Amino acid sequence: EPEVTQTPSHQVTQMGQEVILRCVPISNHLYFYWYRQILGQKVEFLVSFYNNEISEKSEIFDDQFSVERPDGSNFTLKIRSTKLEDSAMYFCASSEMGQVYGYTFGSGTRLTVV
Amino acid sequence: AQSVTQLGSHVSVSEGALVLLRCNYSSSVPPYLFWYVQYPNQGLQLLLKYTSAATLVKGINGFEAEFKKSETSFHLTKPSAHMSDAAEYFCAVRGGNYGGSQGNLIFGKGTKLSVKP
Repeated sequence: EPEVTQTPSHQVTQMGQEVILRCVPISNHLYFYWYRQILGQKVEFLVSFYNNEISEKSEIFDDQFSVERPDGSNFTLKIRSTKLEDSAMYFCASSEMGQVYGYTFGSGTRLTVV
Repeated sequence: AQSVTQLGSHVSVSEGALVLLRCNYSSSVPPYLFWYVQYPNQGLQLLLKYTSAATLVKGINGFEAEFKKSETSFHLTKPSAHMSDAAEYFCAVRGGNYGGSQGNLIFGKGTKLSVKP
């Protein structure tokens, strides 16, 4: 069964550093998403991406965040200057036609900011 | 605005017993509702979904959920728990400003299910 692949599975970074979280969506999917889950809290929507542009973003997705599809396979989330409160599990998801019921999630990247 | 409340952050049942995980939602539009499961070190896997068709929805691994509009509930059940059901379960509702079937997911806090032998 096709999978969404996220790398790395765990990343530790120092406060103020830039991090890039990587995702390889399912190959025929056209819509891409990032969600995050701070430990003990809800999974929260960050951003959706279609046709090389952001289609929707949440209040969490401020200027320190950016997304990119640098080539035909990767979808990245960049955090420019990490803060302690960015420590969370970050999930990538993709869907073929943008249907909210058609998501496939990756296994997540645990980001720890120290 | 849409929201989801999951009652009970941790539920423990004996193997073979009924599993009942509670979810209540709030939505200003006809809701799409979902249950996801997360096994340790894995991603979120869709268990089942309600998208305005039959109110009793059957999913994978013997789980089912019933949409009750009058109670704004979408509780997840399984008649007989198995050890392999131990995981974290998330209820979600469609959010966002899209019409049709698009949008994003608004999750509850999750319920961790433990199954005792």
